[in-house]
Amino acid sequence: AQSVTQLGSHVSVSEGALVLLRCNYSSSVPPYLFWYVQYPNQGLQLLLKYTTGATLVKGINGFEAEFKKSETSFHLTKPSAHMSDAAEYFCAALGNQFYFGTGTSLTVIP
Amino acid sequence: GAGVSQSPRYKVAKRGQDVALRCDPISGHVSLFWYQQALGQGPEFLTYFQNEAQLDKSGLPSDRFFAERPEGSVSTLKIQRTQQEDSAVYLCASSLDPSGYEQYFGPGTRLTVT
Repeated sequence: AQSVTQLGSHVSVSEGALVLLRCNYSSSVPPYLFWYVQYPNQGLQLLLKYTTGATLVKGINGFEAEFKKSETSFHLTKPSAHMSDAAEYFCAALGNQFYFGTGTSLTVIP
Repeated sequence: GAGVSQSPRYKVAKRGQDVALRCDPISGHVSLFWYQQALGQGPEFLTYFQNEAQLDKSGLPSDRFFAERPEGSVSTLKIQRTQQEDSAVYLCASSLDPSGYEQYFGPGTRLTVT
């Protein structure tokens, strides 16, 4: 069975500071991995995805994530937080179906 | 349309009532998925259609939940005899490819059962 774990249900950073949202997956075979962002009362929007190839994946809005097989991790980073980054972030893995983490709420402090 | 749409956006039902939630996927998208997102949780898979065929309904929590996509486009998720534990946001997503590799999500329907 596959599962996705997001460490930290709430993360607060100052505007301009590094954003780091953690995600670990559990799978015998590395699945496809995704990060989604959800703004209030909106659906999920794809930030980035990893399938095969380059382990450092760049997405929209300056976000990137690195797939580390040895650590079964796919952490999301952004060098400099912006107020508009405040939202809920979900890590997901696609095996035979999509498995989502429980989400991390990002607060950006001005 | 430009994206996945869902209606209604908000639904309040009394316990025991039946509800029907509609999803309009992106035109031409083969795959359609339904998810249930409880408060403070990530979305959980309910069911999956490829065209009009329901290929996976393993996530439906009980036989009170029923989904259909009769013509391979619009889909309806029906919940019979609603219970309080059914209160959640129901998300629909569609994908151009059968694997559901890249899914586009609708805004969701927030169901509150009182």
